[in-house]
Amino acid sequence: NAGVTQTPKFRVLKTGQSMTLLCAQDMNHEYMYWYRQDPGMGLRLIHYSVGEGTTAKGEVPDGYNVSRLKKQNFLLGLESAAPSQTSVYFCASSSPGLAEETQYFGPGTRLLVL
Amino acid sequence: AQSVTQPDIHITVSEGASLELRCNYSYGATPYLFWYVQSPGQGLQLLLKYFSGDTLVQGIKGFEAEFKRSQSSFNLRKPSVHWSDAAEYFCAVSMEYGNKLVFGAGTILRVKS
Repeated sequence: NAGVTQTPKFRVLKTGQSMTLLCAQDMNHEYMYWYRQDPGMGLRLIHYSVGEGTTAKGEVPDGYNVSRLKKQNFLLGLESAAPSQTSVYFCASSSPGLAEETQYFGPGTRLLVL
Repeated sequence: AQSVTQPDIHITVSEGASLELRCNYSYGATPYLFWYVQSPGQGLQLLLKYFSGDTLVQGIKGFEAEFKRSQSSFNLRKPSVHWSDAAEYFCAVSMEYGNKLVFGAGTILRVKS
């Protein structure tokens, strides 16, 4: 049981390049989330999904797109990377309907945009 | 909009000393409250959470937190800090039953021997 995994762990991009971050969970969770973490700002929600085939915007969605084609995977895409997107990206998942709705986090992806 | 304030960016305590990390939230109703810990280079791990009932909540690793409605606070405490507790701690709130956590900026804890 790996929990939440993220690929890649680290990536360097040039401005304007595109990339996709992959999040996978093996806990059969319905809900999945993408956050970015910046110094002094905590984690901010980018996009989230409440089930396969559904996505919704979070607090800071601009410049990102997401897809949830399979229940266990949640992809975060950057179509044209900008230096402002240099950050650590965390994926999380949770299961609704339980009294304790904890979000379980992956180890993070460090992205540097030059 | 809901917000979470962690007033202390850095805190340094001696090993064996007690610890209190502050968290205040802004919202009209009682939210769901969480404390997460992040060790260097790692993801976030849940320490404890408050949904309802007893306002003193026990968590993992010897941590506890107390919800005070009158002060809109959810402070994290530990009676005796260990060197392995050095990490960054995040308070978070959710108004929608686990969706869309709003995080504080975090408090970095340093433990000196």
